Amino acid sequence: EPEVTQTPSHQVTQMGQEVILRCVPISNHLYFYWYRQILGQKVEFLVSFYNNEISEKSEIFDDQFSVERPDGSNFTLKIRSTKLEDSAMYFCASMGWGYGYTFGSGTRLTVV
Amino acid sequence: AQSVTQLGSHVSVSEGALVLLRCNYSSSVPPYLFWYVQYPNQGLQLLLKYTSAATLVKGINGFEAEFKKSETSFHLTKPSAHMSDAAEYFCAVSVAHGGSQGNLIFGKGTKLSVKP
Repeated sequence: EPEVTQTPSHQVTQMGQEVILRCVPISNHLYFYWYRQILGQKVEFLVSFYNNEISEKSEIFDDQFSVERPDGSNFTLKIRSTKLEDSAMYFCASMGWGYGYTFGSGTRLTVV
Repeated sequence: AQSVTQLGSHVSVSEGALVLLRCNYSSSVPPYLFWYVQYPNQGLQLLLKYTSAATLVKGINGFEAEFKKSETSFHLTKPSAHMSDAAEYFCAVSVAHGGSQGNLIFGKGTKLSVKP
């Protein structure tokens, strides 16, 4: 069964550093998403991406965040200057026509 | 705007007992509803989804959920709990947006414990 692949599975970074979280969506999917889950809290929508542009973003997705699909296969989330409160599990998801997300297994980001 | 309320952050059942995890939603337009399961240190796995077809939806691992519009509920049930069902369960709602499902709004989750 096709999978959404996220790398790395765990990343530790120092406060103020830039991080890039990578995702390889399912190849024929058209819609791409990032969600995050702070430890012990609910999963929150960050951003959706379609046709090479952001289609929707939440209040969390401020100027520190950006997304890119640089080469037609990868889908990346960049956090420009990480803060302690950015520590969370970040999930990538993709979806084709119709209904049904496929989530990746997540990247646990720890900011120290 | 849509929202989801999961009643009970922690539910404990005995092995073989009925599992009932409660979810109520709020949506101004017909919603799509989902249940996801998350095992420790893993991602989100879709259990089942309601997308305006049959109101009783059967999912994986013996779970099912019934969409009740009058009660704005989408409770998850399983007749007989198994130890392997211990996990966190998330209810989510979305509204169709163009050709896509729209982004998901999650509830806070219910952690299910299964006692031997």
